[in-house]
Amino acid sequence: AQKITQTQPGMFVQEKEAVTLDCTYDTSDPSYGLFWYKQPSSGEMIFLIYQGSYDQQNATEGRYSLNFQKARKSANLVISASQLGDSAMYFCAMRGSSGSARQLTFGSGTQLTVLP
Amino acid sequence: EAGVAQSPRYKIIEKRQSVAFWCNPISGHATLYWYQQILGQGPKLLIQFQNNGVVDDSQLPKDRFSAERLKGVDSTLKIQPAKLEDSAVYLCASSLVRLAGGAETQYFGPGTRLLVL
Repeated sequence: AQKITQTQPGMFVQEKEAVTLDCTYDTSDPSYGLFWYKQPSSGEMIFLIYQGSYDQQNATEGRYSLNFQKARKSANLVISASQLGDSAMYFCAMRGSSGSARQLTFGSGTQLTVLP
Repeated sequence: EAGVAQSPRYKIIEKRQSVAFWCNPISGHATLYWYQQILGQGPKLLIQFQNNGVVDDSQLPKDRFSAERLKGVDSTLKIQPAKLEDSAVYLCASSLVRLAGGAETQYFGPGTRLLVL
């Protein structure tokens, strides 16, 4: 079975600074994908960034980058130049390629608060 | 491009009553998912459809939950009878195709917040 662990229930960051949200995973699947979603108080899950297990380079999308360390089984999200609108719940998720691992499995989330 | 639509946004019912949620996925998306998100937790998959066929319903409590996707587009999720522990946000998501290595991105709707009293 695959598992996602997010050890930071809450994080604070000053506006315009960078912040790293931690995510570790466990899977026996050789091929998998890692995702980060943002969930504001409105409830909608917003896709941010994707990293494939065989991708050689770390994924980047605007101010978001994924620090993928395969040997350590970690997929941390880095948000640069934080904005007040970044305040939200952030979920790390993974999806394998076979059997029950093809389900998208989510971590418990990290509540990020950006301070003015 | 319109996103995933869900209704209602909020629902309050008493235990043992029934309730139904509706989802309209992004146009052209073949795969549709229903998730349950209990407060303080990440979403948990209930059921996955590929067109109008069920791909995975292993975590759906089939004694009280049912779902259908007629004509491979809209979907409804029903709970009958509801229990207190069903209070949660029910999220619908859709994706274009199933890609190797788990690469397809799921796009979520705004969710339906259910409170069972």
